[in-house]
Amino acid sequence: QKEVEQDPGPLSVPEGAIVSLNCTYSNSAFQYFMWYRQYSRKGPELLMYTYSSGNKEDGRFTAQVDKSSKYISLFIRDSQPSDSATYLCAGNTPLVFGKGTRLSVIA
Amino acid sequence: EAGVTQFPSHSVIEKGQTVTLRCDPISGHDNLYWYRRVMGKEIKFLLHFVKESKQDESGMPNNRFLAERTGGTYSTLKVQPAELEDSGVYFCASSQGARATDTQYFGPGTRLTVL
Repeated sequence: QKEVEQDPGPLSVPEGAIVSLNCTYSNSAFQYFMWYRQYSRKGPELLMYTYSSGNKEDGRFTAQVDKSSKYISLFIRDSQPSDSATYLCAGNTPLVFGKGTRLSVIA
Repeated sequence: EAGVTQFPSHSVIEKGQTVTLRCDPISGHDNLYWYRRVMGKEIKFLLHFVKESKQDESGMPNNRFLAERTGGTYSTLKVQPAELEDSGVYFCASSQGARATDTQYFGPGTRLTVL
């Protein structure tokens, strides 16, 4: 069983939609959970991280962790074409990544 | 401020040859990481340097891979001899600290193709 599972998509949504990206994990030792964004031909870029369970909000982005169900989510409100990228979830440490979900936001 | 740089951006070699990848971290970052993404798979951790010392090399696939970080600045990752399954994108990342909350800044990666 992979430590972090993520549906690779692709996911295509219209501009302004709310996007929900999800991962599950199996390693109970993970305490921090990260979301990275990766544009084509670039390296991953940290969007935000959360500790243990709960929510964290940063602008249009909200990250949620439910440790009881080992479920990680990233919500993007008012999605923009510039949000089109691959989104990777990860647990720590060292970083264990999911495969990433490719998101396209259509204008 | 310059980000993490990697050289070359692409490398195409034949099976059995040697390739050396280079990573220049952000200035002042003591922590340097190597990752690899094989096609269709997740990005996987290879190893972690703190300054010039290997802190964790649990992800190194085998002894054909040798990583060095002389003087605690730039790092090289040598693959010798390269095999077909070594093809993928090799990422380097650096951070100031090694805590989970210390942001790792990734380079653009080196795309390695072994024919």
